[in-house]
Amino acid sequence: AQSVTQLGSHVSVSEGALVLLRCNYSSSVPPYLFWYVQYPNQGLQLLLKYTSAATLVKGINGFEAEFKKSETSFHLTKPSAHMSDAAEYFCAVSDQGNFNKFYFGSGTKLNVKP
Amino acid sequence: GAGVSQSPSNKVTEKGKDVELRCDPISGHTALYWYRQRLGQGLEFLIYFQGNSAPDKSGLPSDRFSAERTGESVSTLTIQRTQQEDSAVYLCASSVTGASYEQYFGPGTRLTVT
Repeated sequence: AQSVTQLGSHVSVSEGALVLLRCNYSSSVPPYLFWYVQYPNQGLQLLLKYTSAATLVKGINGFEAEFKKSETSFHLTKPSAHMSDAAEYFCAVSDQGNFNKFYFGSGTKLNVKP
Repeated sequence: GAGVSQSPSNKVTEKGKDVELRCDPISGHTALYWYRQRLGQGLEFLIYFQGNSAPDKSGLPSDRFSAERTGESVSTLTIQRTQQEDSAVYLCASSVTGASYEQYFGPGTRLTVT
């Protein structure tokens, strides 16, 4: 079975600083990869997804992620953090051809300091 | 428009009781997923429904767990003889088809077993 590792359950950055949230997956075959965000008291919503097209994927709210097969990583970045980015972020994978199942990481809570 | 809704939002029950959790997917969404999220952990896949096909029940942790869905409408997740380890947030998600990848999540039901 797939597994997803998110390094750092809590990340704190200053407003305007770079945001980097790490995600590594275990599959030897490149899966489909996703980042979801959960704002306080809201459901998860899709930020961006990688499905075998361009390795650099742009999502909503200025976030992007790069698929690196050699590193089995799909780290999420944003050049300049905004207070409204404070939320919990989840990385997820699904096997190509078996999109029934999604495997989620344990999440990273992003805190943005003024 | 209306998103995925779940009820109740919170449920406290005594060990050994049965509970039923409800999910109303977005109208027209043929695929429906249930996940469990224990405190500090990622989302754990439970079950997947796609139209009238047989559901993928491979994530259900024990025979105390069951779920039903009638057509492409409401789904209920039932946990019989609840145990303290069942305490978690139960999330429901729906998507247009199983292949669309983008899942729309409900706000979850927080279940506490005392």
